[in-house]
Amino acid sequence: DQQVKQNSPSLSVQEGRISILNCDYTNSMFDYFLWYKKYPAEGPTFLISISSIKDKNEDGRFTVFLNKSAKHLSLHIVPSQPGDSAVYFCAASVGTSYDKVIFGPGTSLSVIP
Amino acid sequence: DSGVTQTPKHLITATGQRVTLRCSPRSGDLSVYWYQQSLDQGLQFLIQYYNGEERAKGNILERFSAQQFPDLHSELNLSSLELGDSALYFCASSGPSGGRYFGPGTRLTVL
Repeated sequence: DQQVKQNSPSLSVQEGRISILNCDYTNSMFDYFLWYKKYPAEGPTFLISISSIKDKNEDGRFTVFLNKSAKHLSLHIVPSQPGDSAVYFCAASVGTSYDKVIFGPGTSLSVIP
Repeated sequence: DSGVTQTPKHLITATGQRVTLRCSPRSGDLSVYWYQQSLDQGLQFLIQYYNGEERAKGNILERFSAQQFPDLHSELNLSSLELGDSALYFCASSGPSGGRYFGPGTRLTVL
């Protein structure tokens, strides 16, 4: 049973438009959420995180929104750039106990020039 | 460059064989994590070591084992390999801030 779900395996967006990547979780104990980005032949790299005490965290073109009641979070990339084309993993944990970070299956984003 | 190195990059072997994957964490990081990424699967946490000792265990098969050495590098041993073990194996390290830094991965193909 997947505790962290990313129901869209892939997403295509035009350059300059907004990319919205969605993530749902089932464990209500999760209170820390992260997004990682992965290029082919490279390991995942940390992108942005959010604690459950917030409902939004912004870093440049990247914004993560958290809806605790719906157990849903989303990553918005505005404006999308071709270099954003990668696989994006949503991850969740109970506290910042990095031992127990659970990753979703990933969404492959293609930004079309 | 995350500062985490993994060798080899690619490994092709046959069923029933045994392989060892190696990971060197970022300088100063005491924690090492191993993950498996299979086709269509997210990153599955296998095991964590902290300063030479096993700290946490995830979905690691009994055929798999790991260790962390005094110089903090870690090895993941996979034995009696099966076709389904073909995957990308990532190592990550973390320091006091907890941020996780991933290596480039080892792609294992079992034929």
